[in-house]
Amino acid sequence: QKEVEQDPGPLSVPEGAIVSLNCTYSNSAFQYFMWYRQYSRKGPELLMYTYSSGNKEDGRFTAQVDKSSKYISLFIRDSQPSDSATYLCAIRAGSARQLTFGSGTQLTVLP
Amino acid sequence: EAGVAQSPRYKIIEKRQSVAFWCNPISGHATLYWYQQILGQGPKLLIQFQNNGVVDDSQLPKDRFSAERLKGVDSTLKIQPAKLEDSAVYLCASSLTGDQPQHFGDGTRLSIL
Repeated sequence: QKEVEQDPGPLSVPEGAIVSLNCTYSNSAFQYFMWYRQYSRKGPELLMYTYSSGNKEDGRFTAQVDKSSKYISLFIRDSQPSDSATYLCAIRAGSARQLTFGSGTQLTVLP
Repeated sequence: EAGVAQSPRYKIIEKRQSVAFWCNPISGHATLYWYQQILGQGPKLLIQFQNNGVVDDSQLPKDRFSAERLKGVDSTLKIQPAKLEDSAVYLCASSLTGDQPQHFGDGTRLSIL
């Protein structure tokens, strides 16, 4: 079993839709949770960074962490064609510095 | 703030040849990382530097991969000899310290023929 599981998609939605992206993890030691966006032929770009259970909002993006279920989500409201990219979850244990990435979900927002 | 710079952007070599990649991190960032990203997968850490010392190289294939970070700033990653399975994007990232968010460069796309 992989430490971090992420549905690879691809996911295709119409413009304006609410998008839900999800990851599950197996190691309860993981404490820091990140979402990265990666455009084609570009490096990952940090979107959200949180270390506690609950919700964190930034504009149209909301990161949700449920440590009891070992489940994290990223919601995108009012999705735009410019949101079309691969979204990677990344998780880190508090005492270690290594990031463990999911395999990424490819999202396409259709105009 | 200038981002992480990497070169070259693309490299095509034949198997058994050698190749080197260069990374210039964000100014002031003490921690530097090299990742390998195979198509359809998330990045996998190869090596982490804190200033010019190695913090973690547990996943670096040391029989063929080497990396150095002289003077605690720029870094180079070398593969010698290359194998077909080394075809991937090699990403460099940096952070202020090992506990801070990582910022990535756009990577070097390596194709092995």
